[in-house]
Amino acid sequence: IAGITQAPTSQILAAGRRMTLRCTQDMRHNAMYWYRQDLGLGLRLIHYSNTAGTTGKGEVPDGYSVSRANTDDFPLTLASAVPSQTSVYFCASSREEGEKLFFGSGTQLSVL
Amino acid sequence: SQKIEQNSEALNIQEGKTATLTCNYTNYSPAYLQWYRQDPGRGPVFLLLIRENEKEKRKERLKVTFDTTLKQSLFHITASQPADSATYLCALLMDSSYKLIFGSGTRLLVRP
Repeated sequence: IAGITQAPTSQILAAGRRMTLRCTQDMRHNAMYWYRQDLGLGLRLIHYSNTAGTTGKGEVPDGYSVSRANTDDFPLTLASAVPSQTSVYFCASSREEGEKLFFGSGTQLSVL
Repeated sequence: SQKIEQNSEALNIQEGKTATLTCNYTNYSPAYLQWYRQDPGRGPVFLLLIRENEKEKRKERLKVTFDTTLKQSLFHITASQPADSATYLCALLMDSSYKLIFGSGTRLLVRP
């Protein structure tokens, strides 16, 4: 059982470019989340989805968009990357909103 | 503003001793609190959940307490082992939003 799969593992991106981080889960969880983790700031919620077809904004949504066309996939898109978006991005899921989270292994993104 | 505080300094202890990590919060009335373990280059892994009406929760060598008056949770690892070395994150769930808010974590180093 894979759990949560994120791709790519790491990426170096030129500022201004568009980038989509992929996230897939095989646990049939209803809720999915995107967090970014920066040194000293901990994990901050970017966007979330409580169920397929719905999405919501977290603490730091600006510059990011998400979609939830089906239960398994929850891609995160940076429309025009900026250096402040350099971070480690974690996708997570939970059976229902508010329950314990299962995390992917993360994507290290560097925007130059 | 809402805030979760974990000691940013690493906790360095001798193998066999009890490690105690602290999570303090302000301006919250969380429904429950969760603890996660994170190893370098990996996503966080869920350890324990404690609800607002519970004083203490145990799982093997782990123990969590939750004092809603002090707005504090303590996380204990008894008979610590070098393999317990990792960063430990606390997270609070707010009833109103059903979203988890994370602290920045405390790194634990257990010396053999």
